[in-house]
Amino acid sequence: QSALTQPASVSGSPGQSITISCTGTNRDVGAYKFVSWYQHHPGKAPKLIIFDVSKRPSGVSNRFSGSKSGNTASLTISGLQAEDEADYYCSSYTSSSPYWVFGGGTTLTVL
Amino acid sequence: QVQLQESGPGLLKPSQTLSLTCTVSGASISSGDFYWTWIRQPPGKGLEWIGYIFYSGTTYYNPSLKSRITLSLDTSKNQFFLNLRSVTAADTAVYYCARGITTYFDFWGQGTLVPVSS
Repeated sequence: QSALTQPASVSGSPGQSITISCTGTNRDVGAYKFVSWYQHHPGKAPKLIIFDVSKRPSGVSNRFSGSKSGNTASLTISGLQAEDEADYYCSSYTSSSPYWVFGGGTTLTVL
Repeated sequence: QVQLQESGPGLLKPSQTLSLTCTVSGASISSGDFYWTWIRQPPGKGLEWIGYIFYSGTTYYNPSLKSRITLSLDTSKNQFFLNLRSVTAADTAVYYCARGITTYFDFWGQGTLVPVSS
């Protein structure tokens, strides 16, 4: 069982918006602004899309946004595109070992 | 562009040692700005942080694996390594190497599947 809880799957139609939640505790997500999100197309290298809760790396579409409230972080993808279909993982720094924890991953299907 | 590539043995038998290499291009592992990380994903499960190593050789390990793992690096080859001893079926996973910076991992390898089976 993963330390952070994500829904197993979400889906949306092209052009719509979806939100993926990531629930932790007051020792990780709730304690720090150190949540990151990764997009993973099977067989490829995972790609950083959000860091420090809401910051986007250079080159990442502004359709991806992140937020946090209490022990739950969220990733929102607006204007869904077929290429967004992938697995998404959240991660957080934690004050207790093992220092970084991850979610179980969410499979996004673009209908 | 920074790229990381894992390489390893393929199939292992229980009790053997898993040895993986991560070859880094487009960045120097001698840079003090980053830490070099291993992460794994067992089939059907989430990601698990294994540990990381700084250019100085300082290491931090997941306590659940600490007794069995050793991370090391070779700056002359721009590579870092994972050794995991006494593997069992539970160590079957896709193993990723990644570059860490402050509080996140900005570049990852594609991962390599390491099955453990008798």
